[in-house]
Amino acid sequence: AIQMTQSPSSLSASVGDRVTITCRASQGIRSDLGWYQHKPGKAPKLLIYGASSLQSGVPSRFSGSGSGTDFTLTISSLQPEDFATYYCLQDYSYPWTFGLGTKVEIK
Amino acid sequence: QVQLVQSGAEVKKPGASVKVSCKASGYTFTSYYIHWVRQAPGHGLEWMGVVYPSGSFTSYAQKFQGRVAMTKDTSTSTAYMELSSLTSEDTAVYYCARREVVDTMAYLQYWGQGTLVTVSS
Repeated sequence: AIQMTQSPSSLSASVGDRVTITCRASQGIRSDLGWYQHKPGKAPKLLIYGASSLQSGVPSRFSGSGSGTDFTLTISSLQPEDFATYYCLQDYSYPWTFGLGTKVEIK
Repeated sequence: QVQLVQSGAEVKKPGASVKVSCKASGYTFTSYYIHWVRQAPGHGLEWMGVVYPSGSFTSYAQKFQGRVAMTKDTSTSTAYMELSSLTSEDTAVYYCARREVVDTMAYLQYWGQGTLVTVSS
């Protein structure tokens, strides 16, 4: 199975900060990667698919980049509603695999 | 509108089995794969497997092979996830989600509300 190494596992940031989260795949996965936001008590929410395509309705402060093995999720200006846990998910091949998550907390 | 509505919370004893349902509406059930994802307390999201409602295709994470079965009932547009030989480590919220494909890009856009399964003696 493809392993997804996500970092950092947690970070503290202030409103307005630029935040970057990375995922590295154990083998090349083209651009077959999505980013999801998860808040307690809610279903995960798709932010980015195909490594860099912004899901409809998701604010433009979210962006994704990368291909092959290295991927990045960037939040350009952190907003109060963005405090959550973020996961990458590779959909290149079964079994799909998530990164371990990055918890974004308020500084 | 697309909706995935899951069955209610369950409490099971160790060694038992649980079957969670995911009823789809607002689209053609047989046209989209259904994935299952769980989150145990204090842990991250974990992909469990996938079932294709139109046919016999399933794929499971190695961790669950042999004790998970993902099935569907096309007459009721419902997908099921059954997990057997439960232990306390299976205590988690279980989600179903519909796979979308756009220009070969796949993702999970629509999710069920989650089903809490508690395993306790």
